[in-house]
Amino acid sequence: NAGVTQTPKFRVLKTGQSMTLLCAQDMNHEYMYWYRQDPGMGLRLIHYSVGEGTTAKGEVPDGYNVSRLKKQNFLLGLESAAPSQTSVYFCASSSNRGTLFGQYFGPGTRLTVT
Amino acid sequence: AQSVTQPDIHITVSEGASLELRCNYSYGATPYLFWYVQSPGQGLQLLLKYFSGDTLVQGIKGFEAEFKRSQSSFNLRKPSVHWSDAAEYFCAVGLLTGAGNKLTFGGGTRVLVKP
Repeated sequence: NAGVTQTPKFRVLKTGQSMTLLCAQDMNHEYMYWYRQDPGMGLRLIHYSVGEGTTAKGEVPDGYNVSRLKKQNFLLGLESAAPSQTSVYFCASSSNRGTLFGQYFGPGTRLTVT
Repeated sequence: AQSVTQPDIHITVSEGASLELRCNYSYGATPYLFWYVQSPGQGLQLLLKYFSGDTLVQGIKGFEAEFKRSQSSFNLRKPSVHWSDAAEYFCAVGLLTGAGNKLTFGGGTRVLVKP
């Protein structure tokens, strides 16, 4: 049981390049989330998904796209990277059963855009 | 919209001393509240959560938190800090809707432990 895993762990992009971050969970969770973490700002929600084939915008969605083609995977895409997207990205998942159980987080992806 | 404030950006504490981290929230209904810990280079780990009932909740690693509705606070405490408790701590308020289980995080408090 690996929990939530993220690929890659580190990446450096040039402005204008594109990339996809992969998140996978093996807990059969319905809900999945992408956050970015910047110093002093905590975590901010980029996009989330309440089930396979569905996605929704979070607090800071601009410049990102997501897809949830399989229940266990949640992809975050940057079509044209900008220096403002330099951040640490975390994926999380949670159960949809009953009340809030809290979210389980992956180890993060550190992205630098030059 | 809900919000979470952690007034202390950094706290330094001696090993063996007690620790209290402050968290204030703004939310129109009964909140679901969480504390997470992030060790350097790691993801976030859930320490404890409050949904309802007893306002003093126990978590992992010897942490506890107390919900005070009148003060809109959910402060985290540990009676005796260990060097391994050096980390960043995040308070979060949760909203469960038909659109998902969404968390709003505070800005975090970084804890340094002196030997």
